[in-house]
Amino acid sequence: DVKVTQSSRYLVKRTGEKVFLECVQDMDHENMFWYRQDPGLGLRLIYFSYDVKMKEKGDIPEGYSVSREKKERFSLILESASTNQTSMYLCASNPWGQGLAGELFFGEGSRLTVL
Amino acid sequence: AQKVTQAQTEISVVEKEDVTLDCVYETRDTTYYLFWYKQPPSGELVFLIRRNSFDEQNEISGRYSWNFQKSTSSFNFTITASQVVDSAVYFCALSEAGYSGAGSYQLTFGKGTKLSVIP
Repeated sequence: DVKVTQSSRYLVKRTGEKVFLECVQDMDHENMFWYRQDPGLGLRLIYFSYDVKMKEKGDIPEGYSVSREKKERFSLILESASTNQTSMYLCASNPWGQGLAGELFFGEGSRLTVL
Repeated sequence: AQKVTQAQTEISVVEKEDVTLDCVYETRDTTYYLFWYKQPPSGELVFLIRRNSFDEQNEISGRYSWNFQKSTSSFNFTITASQVVDSAVYFCALSEAGYSGAGSYQLTFGKGTKLSVIP
């Protein structure tokens, strides 16, 4: 069964802390994505990776960075967390060639609160 | 400009009622894809359907059906005989060509419709 796992369901961090959100998929997918979900705004793409060590900015990359050292793992990094980064973060993946025109497989999300 | 409009923010129905979730999209492309995803309280978005712009056939999958009308730029989703397990937030999304830094397609989600099915 297809599985995207996000390591933390709920996190509470303080302003200025460095935050790592981890995502692992077991489907051997090349593409991985990080989205942010906020009420009234829907889902917005932060970063995308189509291969190991490759990354592309999405619609709202400011304040975030990513790391893809292994095919199955895609990490979202908040170098210095701010309160406006309080949100639900969703990781997704899909096979090479599908990208944003294909079905996305999502994790359960990580709800981050920055105090 | 908003490209995917889900005008219904929240809908409540009584179990066994039929319910239609509206989705209106905007695009200048002739080739595009439309999606519906379901997000139950657990948080994980689940893919329901993908439809390409050249296929206007309606689709039925069990209690779910989708009506795609290019003339009105709509891709509506109907649940027949709703059940409590249908309670979720439903997202409509549009994938259209255009470089966004994330490949050759750009995916835009609507803001979602929260469906509550009351027993």
